[in-house]
Amino acid sequence: AQKITQTQPGMFVQEKEAVTLDCTYDTSDPSYGLFWYKQPSSGEMIFLIYQGSYDQQNATEGRYSLNFQKARKSANLVISASQLGDSAMYFCAMREGRLYGGATNKLIFGTGTLLAVQP
Amino acid sequence: KAGVTQTPRYLIKTRGQQVTLSCSPISGHRSVSWYQQTPGQGLQFLFEYFSETQRNKGNFPGRFSGRQFSNSRSEMNVSTLELGDSALYLCASSLTSGTSAKYGYTFGSGTRLTVV
Repeated sequence: AQKITQTQPGMFVQEKEAVTLDCTYDTSDPSYGLFWYKQPSSGEMIFLIYQGSYDQQNATEGRYSLNFQKARKSANLVISASQLGDSAMYFCAMREGRLYGGATNKLIFGTGTLLAVQP
Repeated sequence: KAGVTQTPRYLIKTRGQQVTLSCSPISGHRSVSWYQQTPGQGLQFLFEYFSETQRNKGNFPGRFSGRQFSNSRSEMNVSTLELGDSALYLCASSLTSGTSAKYGYTFGSGTRLTVV
């Protein structure tokens, strides 16, 4: 079964420093997509970054980058130059694949990492 | 461009009642997925609707149901509410089903349901 594991329940980081949030995944599907979302206390899930299983390069979106190590099945999120507004819950998610091709819109989420940025 | 709209934002219901939540996707998006978020179970997939048809269903009891209208708006219904149904219910809108686009999913702000 497909699974996402986030082993860091909570993390602290100083403002302006970089932080890495860990994510490992398990799937036997050769085609999959990996997402990172940010969830502030308001509840909305905010898309941060996406990595496709066939993408050759690591994804980057502004201050966010994804350290994709396919052989190790890890997709760690790196936030550079942390800001106070980055304090939130962060979820790693994988789009579930299907046997014999075709993907669904079902996302499998990890348990999340609560990031606190300190001034 | 308007985002995903979920109504109501907050809801308090009594055990045994039923509730209907609404999700209006981004204009042009035809797929709506629903998720339940609780402290104990985390984020769990409920179901996905695409062009008024249920495409996929999570592991939830039959008390949880949904539907999608011709304008792509979706509703989910929970009958005979239990205390354990208290959760944040999120919907996600997508252009198509099975999308691989990196911006494929846009979430609403959720409906926070409290069952007392």
